[in-house]
Amino acid sequence: EAQLVESGGGLVQPGGSLRLSCAASGFSFSGFWMHWVRQAPGEGLVWVSRISMDGNSMSYADDVKGRTSISRDNAKNTLYLHMESLRAEDTAVYYCAKEGYFEEFDLWGQGTLVIVSS
Amino acid sequence: SYALTQPPSVSVSPGQTATISCSGEKLGDKYVAWYQQKPGQSPVAVLYQDNKRPSGISERFSGSNSGNTATLTISGTQFMDEAGYYCQAWDSNISVFGGGTKLTVL
Repeated sequence: EAQLVESGGGLVQPGGSLRLSCAASGFSFSGFWMHWVRQAPGEGLVWVSRISMDGNSMSYADDVKGRTSISRDNAKNTLYLHMESLRAEDTAVYYCAKEGYFEEFDLWGQGTLVIVSS
Repeated sequence: SYALTQPPSVSVSPGQTATISCSGEKLGDKYVAWYQQKPGQSPVAVLYQDNKRPSGISERFSGSNSGNTATLTISGTQFMDEAGYYCQAWDSNISVFGGGTKLTVL
């Protein structure tokens, strides 16, 4: 069964940094683009970033550009999101998601909660 | 930046048809996907490419997309359909979600 499992969330102080991980299993990880999507408490879904199959092409939402880096290790079937200069408004559940053949998000993880607070 | 607009809430009686709209500039020129999210759960795709259903999704879910508006239609709405629904599209390598619509079945 295809599965995505995020980890690395937690409480971080404003201005701090964090690295989230997403372990993939049950499908050919290296054959798909991957994404991060976040959801602030009680709010809607917001796309954060995506990375190509080989890890050479990335794109970011304006809100996180310049302080966020997405990467992947296809040998470890793992997706990463490194975030710096964290702000209170970065507080959210962060989901990793697999892009399907038609640019939809066809598989989601359970999410990991990041709380930015002093 | 590109924006998708959804009504915050829609109410429907059981067995009736629910329609949820998603509007954006020239949205009909793009493909739209729809996601269902129940409280405490991760989103699940219910439609992609405007009107295609992933495996396992009920035939009660259908969609259309033309002009500036995409529509998700749920026929014979059931209590289990009560959830948040989000439209999603791509604009210049950036993915955009609508603000979400809370569907209440009462």
